[in-house]
Amino acid sequence: SVLTQPPSASGTPGQRVTISCSGSSSNVGSNTVTWYQQLPGTAPKLLIYSYNQRPAGVPDRFSGSKSGTSASLAISGLQSEDEADYYCASWDVSLNDYVIGTGTQVTVL
Amino acid sequence: QLQLQESGPGLVKPSETLSLTCTVSGDSISSSNYFWGWIRQPPGMGLEWIGSVSHSGKSYPSPSLRSRVTMSVDASKTQFSLRLSSVTAADTSIYYCARRNLNWKAFDIWGQGTLVTVSS
Repeated sequence: SVLTQPPSASGTPGQRVTISCSGSSSNVGSNTVTWYQQLPGTAPKLLIYSYNQRPAGVPDRFSGSKSGTSASLAISGLQSEDEADYYCASWDVSLNDYVIGTGTQVTVL
Repeated sequence: QLQLQESGPGLVKPSETLSLTCTVSGDSISSSNYFWGWIRQPPGMGLEWIGSVSHSGKSYPSPSLRSRVTMSVDASKTQFSLRLSSVTAADTSIYYCARRNLNWKAFDIWGQGTLVTVSS
């Protein structure tokens, strides 16, 4: 994938965990970033859209940000139910493709 | 509450065509605020966008699959469909249908997914 994420991240309950999404000027740098959460054995769920907006029902401990050609997802006050895979995504104007990151598995220790 | 449900064969032979349908319940499929998309996930791997189709039937396939993908919409049945031709074992995946919210530029509602295995 053209969007690179760390394969794993972990923290203890209550900690803050940050996941990075590294892209380029043709995707993250010029288009909105979306984050999806995929709990084990389930379909992905929209977590963050337009860099930092949360759909109704998503706890405010999830937040998104962007700087240049990278985006980040932060989980504050980590909870056991946050154990999941997290994917970033963006439209790539050069590839004319909706590119999805490699995914990060978050473990709550 | 809007729900999406994929349906279709769970086993397809190599070189044949994979056909899936997504049935939308709880709302119309005709709104101009949304597109309808397909995303797949090989077992144990990441997500890959297959393509999206507008309510009027205009298709936007991923460049990597463009030559093999056909998508359509049947508004009268509130369904949209995917056909993927000349499949190989590499096409074995969980296939998800999803609604693309054009304002949010995100897939905001997903089906539960259906596993399609390509094998003789």
